[in-house]
Amino acid sequence: AQSVTQPDIHITVSEGASLELRCNYSYGATPYLFWYVQSPGQGLQLLLKYFSGDTLVQGIKGFEAEFKRSQSSFNLRKPSVHWSDAAEYFCAVGAMETSYDKVIFGPGTSLSVIP
Amino acid sequence: DAGITQSPRHKVTETGTPVTLRCHQTENHRYMYWYRQDPGHGLRLIHYSYGVKDTDKGEVSDGYSVSRSKTEDFLLTLESATSSQTSVYFCAISSGRLTTDTQYFGPGTRLTVL
Repeated sequence: AQSVTQPDIHITVSEGASLELRCNYSYGATPYLFWYVQSPGQGLQLLLKYFSGDTLVQGIKGFEAEFKRSQSSFNLRKPSVHWSDAAEYFCAVGAMETSYDKVIFGPGTSLSVIP
Repeated sequence: DAGITQSPRHKVTETGTPVTLRCHQTENHRYMYWYRQDPGHGLRLIHYSYGVKDTDKGEVSDGYSVSRSKTEDFLLTLESATSSQTSVYFCAISSGRLTTDTQYFGPGTRLTVL
């Protein structure tokens, strides 16, 4: 069965510092991988996704993620964090089912940004 | 932003009462989904729909039912609410399969069952 772990429940970084959020997945075949962001009181917004091809994926808001098959990881990075990046971040793995694409979400990592 | 609204946005109800949550979209997207969000669990799929009157169960469907009589509306019903169904409920839509199309989320409904 597919699963997603996000080892860090909460991370605090200073504004302007670099950021890396960790994600590990379990899936038997080539996974479809996603990162979503949720601002307080809002729904989720897709940051980026990986289906195939280049293992370094660029997303919105200056984020990128790298797929490493050997480590079953899909870590999210940003070179310089802004205060507006404070939010909850969810990694997800997708699998094709008969009539829809199943998406399994990780538990989330809460990001705080210190001015 | 994708045109997705959820109603009500907040609801407090008592154990044993029926509750219906509504998701309305203006995007004419084929797929609609209901998720629940609980601390430490991320989002879990309750039910989904791949067309009018075409629905199926997700991973946590017990105690929930859905209906989709029009493309734009997807209703989630708790026949007899329990305290374990206290959660934040999100509706989502996509025009096609998630391998090729983006899933857009509504603002959520916070449900408290006393």
